Amino acid sequence: EAQVTQNPRYLITVTGKKLTVTCSQNMNHEYMSWYRQDPGLGLRQIYYSMNVEVTDKGDVPEGYKVSRKEKRNFPLILESPSPNQTSLYFCASSSYIYNEQFFGPGTRLTVL
Amino acid sequence: ELKVEQNPLFLSMQEGKNYTIYCNYSTTSDRLYWYRQDPGKSLESLFVLLSNGAVKQEGRLMASLDTKARLSTLHITAAVHDLSATYFCAVVPNTGNQFYFGTGTSLTVIP
Repeated sequence: EAQVTQNPRYLITVTGKKLTVTCSQNMNHEYMSWYRQDPGLGLRQIYYSMNVEVTDKGDVPEGYKVSRKEKRNFPLILESPSPNQTSLYFCASSSYIYNEQFFGPGTRLTVL
Repeated sequence: ELKVEQNPLFLSMQEGKNYTIYCNYSTTSDRLYWYRQDPGKSLESLFVLLSNGAVKQEGRLMASLDTKARLSTLHITAAVHDLSATYFCAVVPNTGNQFYFGTGTSLTVIP
């Protein structure tokens, strides 16, 4: 089944404890992206990747890191999480930037 | 600052009625996307509009794009309860590769 998977789905952590949210797609898509969703703000893009080893900042990249060493994986790293990073995170992929995006199920992160 | 504005933010409509959701954006773009999100769920792609005058239809939903007016519309025909969801539009500027989303329109269809 074609899909985008994220892990974990739910995470409660404390300020400053490094964490990684994984994202994987099995559709051989070139474009991958991370978003955060906050009430009243819609979705905001954190980072995106046009292809392997090619990443770029989105609208709200501060406090986040990404890497794209393999085509299928695009992990999101929070080196020192803070409470303002409490949010719902979505990973998405598309065969090409101008095509439809397929979204993962989401990761709900709470930073205490 | 690039803005993507949706109107209305909240919409309650009766079954069988027609209505339109508007998406205005503040940049030059001919790449416009519509998504649907059910409560507690992820986003689902509805339409991809990639040129001025593009019109796409799926069931009771029809989307259009006017790049000169920087406006996209999502028209709902004869609404049914199953269409209750939040609808988002998103834009990619012609000069970049980043997605900018509107804040969403929460649609409730009542019997």
